[in-house]
Amino acid sequence: SQQGEEDPQALSIQEGENATMNCSYKTSINNLQWYRQNSGRGLVHLILIRSNEREKHSGRLRVTLDTSKKSSSLLITASRAADTASYFCATVYQAGTALIFGKGTTLSVSS
Amino acid sequence: KAGVTQTPRYLIKTRGQQVTLSCSPISGHRSVSWYQQTPGQGLQFLFEYFSETQRNKGNFPGRFSGRQFSNSRSEMNVSTLELGDSALYLCASKAAPGFDEQFFGPGTRLTVL
Repeated sequence: SQQGEEDPQALSIQEGENATMNCSYKTSINNLQWYRQNSGRGLVHLILIRSNEREKHSGRLRVTLDTSKKSSSLLITASRAADTASYFCATVYQAGTALIFGKGTTLSVSS
Repeated sequence: KAGVTQTPRYLIKTRGQQVTLSCSPISGHRSVSWYQQTPGQGLQFLFEYFSETQRNKGNFPGRFSGRQFSNSRSEMNVSTLELGDSALYLCASKAAPGFDEQFFGPGTRLTVL
């Protein structure tokens, strides 16, 4: 069963705009990771945030984590057409090593 | 450094048959995990192998099995295929179980007719 739930399920924006997607999870985690998937291909690791961190940046990506609300958000600034993909959050239980994925947000960036 | 490779990339089988998928991890990586992705259930963890031993297993029937070889290459096998086994099967490798970042292969698209 999915640990995380992304919101929204789909997002359409114009190039240059920012895209924000959210993820909620159910139990205590070790870390939370965001992945990107293009057209049913393999997953690309974007960023990892640990349970004791609140915010992390990587290039145009900004991730926040609120463990009290069991939620995370991924912000992509100045979106490009190449950012069009599905984005998944994945959590690792404190006791486990397996990635538990949400159902993903499909982002469409039009030029 | 070469990435994770999976073979074959596409596979078509009929119900009742069995299938074997292969995964070669990144050189030096010793932990391999398998995931199933379907439109209905999303991405689900199948199992993880390290040093030829299964360390963790997801909630899948016994028809799904796997193994890892001494060179860290891994195979997964699905016996008595069902229509619902049609999915993208993804393999991921990481250096060792204590490492967090996993590197995914392109996947094997299995279609069961």
